[in-house]
Amino acid sequence: AQSVTQLDSHVSVSEGTPVLLRCNYSSSYSPSLFWYVQHPNKGLQLLLKYTSAATLVKGINGFEAEFKKSETSFHLTKPSAHMSDAAEYFCVVTRRGAGNMLTFGGGTRLMVKP
Amino acid sequence: DSGVTQTPKHLITATGQRVTLRCSPRSGDLSVYWYQQSLDQGLQFLIQYYNGEERAKGNILERFSAQQFPDLHSELNLSSLELGDSALYFCASSLTGFHETQYFGPGTRLLVL
Repeated sequence: AQSVTQLDSHVSVSEGTPVLLRCNYSSSYSPSLFWYVQHPNKGLQLLLKYTSAATLVKGINGFEAEFKKSETSFHLTKPSAHMSDAAEYFCVVTRRGAGNMLTFGGGTRLMVKP
Repeated sequence: DSGVTQTPKHLITATGQRVTLRCSPRSGDLSVYWYQQSLDQGLQFLIQYYNGEERAKGNILERFSAQQFPDLHSELNLSSLELGDSALYFCASSLTGFHETQYFGPGTRLLVL
């Protein structure tokens, strides 16, 4: 079984300050991990993915995430928030090597203040 | 634009009715997935098809069914609709269906009155 917990349902930052969205996962197998972003009234867009290569993963729009097996975490960071980053972010896990069913976290709504 | 298309964009219907949601995967993708996003349940996997065959099933109700056609487009059929079926339904596609990136369509927003 696998599950994902996003530790904050809402995060508010000021434009130009760092962003940290926290995610912990549980998986009985080697996981693949993803972050997806959903802008209002839009579909889901892949930000980045981890599939057992480098533990520090770089994504689009300046986001990156670090896979920490010992902490079962996959937190998403960005050095400097932009107004256009305001959206809902989902941490997602899937079981590597068998099927492709995605298990989503509950989502974190990121608000960016001017 | 992910390359995955879904129609219709919005659907308003009444309880007890039946609707069909349509999805066209990205060119070359063989696997299609359906997800439901609702306020109380969040994003949930419903069902996966690979090259016309059902591959995996999630939290899909018996009133719901899906299929993937020879041209690889997929349809999700929802019948005997209830108020609680109101949600955003996403389709996603991937090349083969084994832990690859899934590309999501824009979704169909269903409102059951």
